Amino acid sequence: GENVEQHPSTLSVQEGDSAVIKCTYSDSASNYFPWYKQELGKGPQLIIDIRSNVGEKKDQRIAVTLNKTAKHFSLHITETQPEDSAVYFCAATSPRDDKIIFGKGTRLHILP
Amino acid sequence: DGGITQSPKYLFRKEGQNVTLSCEQNLNHDAMYWYRQDPGQGLRLIYYSQIVNDFQKGDIAEGYSVSREKKESFPLTVTSAQKNPTAFYLCASKGQGKAANTGELFFGEGSRLTVL
Repeated sequence: GENVEQHPSTLSVQEGDSAVIKCTYSDSASNYFPWYKQELGKGPQLIIDIRSNVGEKKDQRIAVTLNKTAKHFSLHITETQPEDSAVYFCAATSPRDDKIIFGKGTRLHILP
Repeated sequence: DGGITQSPKYLFRKEGQNVTLSCEQNLNHDAMYWYRQDPGQGLRLIYYSQIVNDFQKGDIAEGYSVSREKKESFPLTVTSAQKNPTAFYLCASKGQGKAANTGELFFGEGSRLTVL
């Protein structure tokens, strides 16, 4: 089955700097890669996603890149702000089944 | 408001007791999921259902059971066979059904189960 690895587990960046979180997946059939943000005591919420026919997608300060050959995808947050502090999860979905498999998460701290 | 509701938010259980966590959605979504969240472990899939009266095991189904008798509801029972049940449980739903496997997951606010 699909396996998703996510790094780093914890990331601290100065406010205004950029943050990058990386994920790899194992199933070459996976074709949908969402990113979720989880704030304390709440359920995760989708912040951006990318499909396998696209290499990059951007939404304001957030961008995601996908390298299908290497089976990895990354989340980029620019001009970080205090409200970006949260846990971020990557995920992968294969058309073989309807499973959505998550990485272990990255706790992002934005330092003042 | 449309959304997904989990209850109870906090639950305490004695060892050896079964407990059922409720998950209800009014989004008219076909697919529903249960995940378990432990510190440093991310979200691990317990069970999922793509359509009413059908469900599949996820990666950590042992000690859990589910039912999907109605489209809106996907309750999870944590049985006494689950060796380490203390965790944060998240339910989610997704709009696309079996025909398409991509789409946004909408999560509830979670249920925290503590075994005493």
